[in-house]
Parts: sequence; structure tokens; C-alpha cells
Amino acid sequence: KNEVEQSPQNLTAQEGEFITINCSYSVGISALHWLQQHPGGGIVSLFMLSSGKKKHGRLIATINIQEKHSSLHITASHPRDSAVYICAVSPSNYQLIWGAGTKLIIKP
Amino acid sequence: NAGVTQTPKFQVLKTGQSMTLQCAQDMNHEYMSWYRQDPGMGLRLIHYSVGAGITDQGEVPNGYNVSRSTTEDFPLRLLSAAPSQTSVYFCASSYGTLAGGTGETQYFGPGTRLLVL
Repeated sequence: KNEVEQSPQNLTAQEGEFITINCSYSVGISALHWLQQHPGGGIVSLFMLSSGKKKHGRLIATINIQEKHSSLHITASHPRDSAVYICAVSPSNYQLIWGAGTKLIIKP
Repeated sequence: NAGVTQTPKFQVLKTGQSMTLQCAQDMNHEYMSWYRQDPGMGLRLIHYSVGAGITDQGEVPNGYNVSRSTTEDFPLRLLSAAPSQTSVYFCASSYGTLAGGTGETQYFGPGTRLLVL
């Protein structure tokens, strides 16, 4: 069993829909990261969370440390949000364990 | 700032050849790392460095060497390329740790696509 599991693996939605991507992990962590990988391959860090909730524009990330679960939400989704969203956890200061990613397609 | 730069963008090697993937950052970041990304899998850590002169192995270090003689540069060397090393390689850097605290962001290079025949 992978230490970081994301669901769904693939998600197709219509423009404007509210999107939720889930991440569950089985190890003790100091922080959880959400990243976005563009269709061209570039990777961008979106959030780093150790508790609670963070918001940036239309993106919201939450984490429940007790349940070992995090969610990434996208409000008012747009085709430019189409990308692979990756969850990664920090069990130590300098290493990350990565999920396999969720491929999101937003149709106009 | 140029951020994190990687060269080359693409490379084709024959089995047994050696090469060096270059990575440089101009943000004065202490922490740098190399990952490989294979289809259907998450990124896997090859090696990382927490400062000049300090390196350590990640999850999949075999067949790769690194050194960190300066804060800016963190090259990855393939000693004797094998088809199993066909992958996309990403270099990343951050100012501090990845484990919370200041909420450190990790910056990624554009990647190097490597094909080993």
C-alpha cells in the first residue's frame, strides 16, 4: 500500500464546478504539500500545511492531522486549472513522500 | 531572478554512457534536491543537499552521484546509464526545510527528459 494515496486518479468536470481532490497518508508527518504540474511538465508549489486551512485565490487546502487526510478544493473551476495536482508529505525535514497525482480536466 | 535552471532539456544516451545533468539556482537556497518522475508514479527523491559540501541519499540513489561545491549548483551525474534511468528529472530548491515552520515553498526547475537506449 502506498504511503500517500490520492483520489480520484482522474477527474473531468465542467467549467464553474466546485472541485475536491483528496489525499490520505499513513505516516507521521510534519507538513503536507500540494503542488500543481502543468501539461507542459512544470511543477509549482501551491500550499504547505501543518494544520487547519489555507486559501489562495480560488484554491483552498485543508488538513486533518488526526485523520491523516487533506483536501484541495478549487472554486469556480476554469479550463486553465487543468493540470495534475500532487499531494506530498514531509515525514522529516528534508524528504517528501509523493502521491501519484490527480489529473484534472476542466471542460469549457 | 532566473529561479531554478536545468540543462539540458532533452538528452539521448546509449547504455553505458555517462553524463551530468546541471542544476543551478540564484535564490541563495540552502536546500536542493533531485527527483525522477516515471509514468504513473509519484516523484522519487534521488539525492538531496542541505548546504554546500553536504549531500545525502534519497529513496533511489543507485547509479547517481551528486556534489555540492557551491550554494548555487547541484549537478547530478549518471555514472553508467541504463535503460531503467529513462525518466524525467527535476531539480528543486528551497530556503529552509520542507517540514513546516515558515511555510517554505519548494521551487522546481523545468525538468530534463532523458532517454537511455
